[in-house]
Amino acid sequence: SQQGEEDPQALSIQEGENATMNCSYKTSINNLQWYRQNSGRGLVHLILIRSNEREKHSGRLRVTLDTSKKSSSLLITASRAADTASYFCATDEAAGNKLTFGGGTRVLVKP
Amino acid sequence: EAQVTQNPRYLITVTGKKLTVTCSQNMNHEYMSWYRQDPGLGLRQIYYSMNVEVTDKGDVPEGYKVSRKEKRNFPLILESPSPNQTSLYFCASSSSGELFFGEGSRLTVL
Repeated sequence: SQQGEEDPQALSIQEGENATMNCSYKTSINNLQWYRQNSGRGLVHLILIRSNEREKHSGRLRVTLDTSKKSSSLLITASRAADTASYFCATDEAAGNKLTFGGGTRVLVKP
Repeated sequence: EAQVTQNPRYLITVTGKKLTVTCSQNMNHEYMSWYRQDPGLGLRQIYYSMNVEVTDKGDVPEGYKVSRKEKRNFPLILESPSPNQTSLYFCASSSSGELFFGEGSRLTVL
């Protein structure tokens, strides 16, 4: 079963707008990661946030983590057409040696 | 250039014909893993390896085998492929938690 569940499943915005997607998970984690996947291609790592961190930034990306609610959010600011992709959260579970992926959010940025 | 290389990228085969999808990484990573991606089901882990000669089952190992005889290579073996193994397969490697993915192998089993 999936550890992470993204919300929404799909998102359509205009270029320049911000895009926010959320991830909820079920068990204790060491860290949570976000990945991007362009259609049919391999996933690309975006950012990793550890369980003792609450917020992290990387360029136009901002990730938050709330371990009490078992949730994370990814914000993409000033979106561009090139940000069109699927975004996945992945949890590194504290009890195992694996990274479990959610179902992803498909983001469409219209020029 | 740091990369994970999978071959073949595309394959159409028939039920029961053994096949191997190769995966090689040039980053000296200890951890390697195979995932399959299916519409509506996301990415599911098939097998993973913490180091040479150390492999373990993921969430969906049935019908698959792996081996890790060398650090850089982690082939995925389908001994007797069936149509339900039609999928997009990804190999990934890691040294510090962040996964590096190959470009994927799209497999169709008729």
